[in-house]
Amino acid sequence: EVQLVESGGGLEQPGRSLTLSCVASGSSIDDYAMHWVRQAPGKGLEWVAGISWTGASTGYADSVKGRFIISRDNAKSSLFLQMNRLRPDDTGFYYCTKDSASGWTPPNLFDPWGQGTLVTVSS
Amino acid sequence: DIQMTQSPSSVSASVGDRVTITCRASQGISSWLLWFQQKPGKAPQLLIYAASTLQTGVPSRFSGSGSGTDFTLTISNLQPEDFATYYCQQANSFPATFGPGTKVDIK
Repeated sequence: EVQLVESGGGLEQPGRSLTLSCVASGSSIDDYAMHWVRQAPGKGLEWVAGISWTGASTGYADSVKGRFIISRDNAKSSLFLQMNRLRPDDTGFYYCTKDSASGWTPPNLFDPWGQGTLVTVSS
Repeated sequence: DIQMTQSPSSVSASVGDRVTITCRASQGISSWLLWFQQKPGKAPQLLIYAASTLQTGVPSRFSGSGSGTDFTLTISNLQPEDFATYYCQQANSFPATFGPGTKVDIK
């Protein structure tokens, strides 16, 4: 079974950039789409971005489109989220999660999830 | 986007109780509905997919039903480890969207 571990979170000022990483172990993620889902403190879940198994196709929530970039390096079993022009409403826990299919478009089955990394955007 | 609603927003129950949570989609999603459990400080865990199929390892006291726009999650014989927040998620249309959550706490 695959285990996912996120890193790269922290405190950043509005307008700045931050890059999150997610490393998989235990089983290969090469054949599967991957996603980022976030959760503001004490709030619900919001899908952020998805990427196909090859990395050739990506998709974004309207709230982050044009600011965030999802990418992956299958040779390193890694997923990334480059977060640019950060805003205070980007604050929250960011989870990486594996899909059950190779494409990122619905239907999506998110399982498993990493433990999350906290991003705080504040001046 | 498809909007997901859940009711109740919270429920207080005792060990051994039966708890039912309702999830409604703003438009039909066939059976593309998932349920997640989240405990404080932890990541969500998949319980049920395709509206009624239990993920491997999930106890049989959890069950799901429904199709179209209305779905339910039932926990029979509530156990101490079941006190958590439960989210539904539609997997039918882009973007995937989640319900606001239902918190199950101890009466």
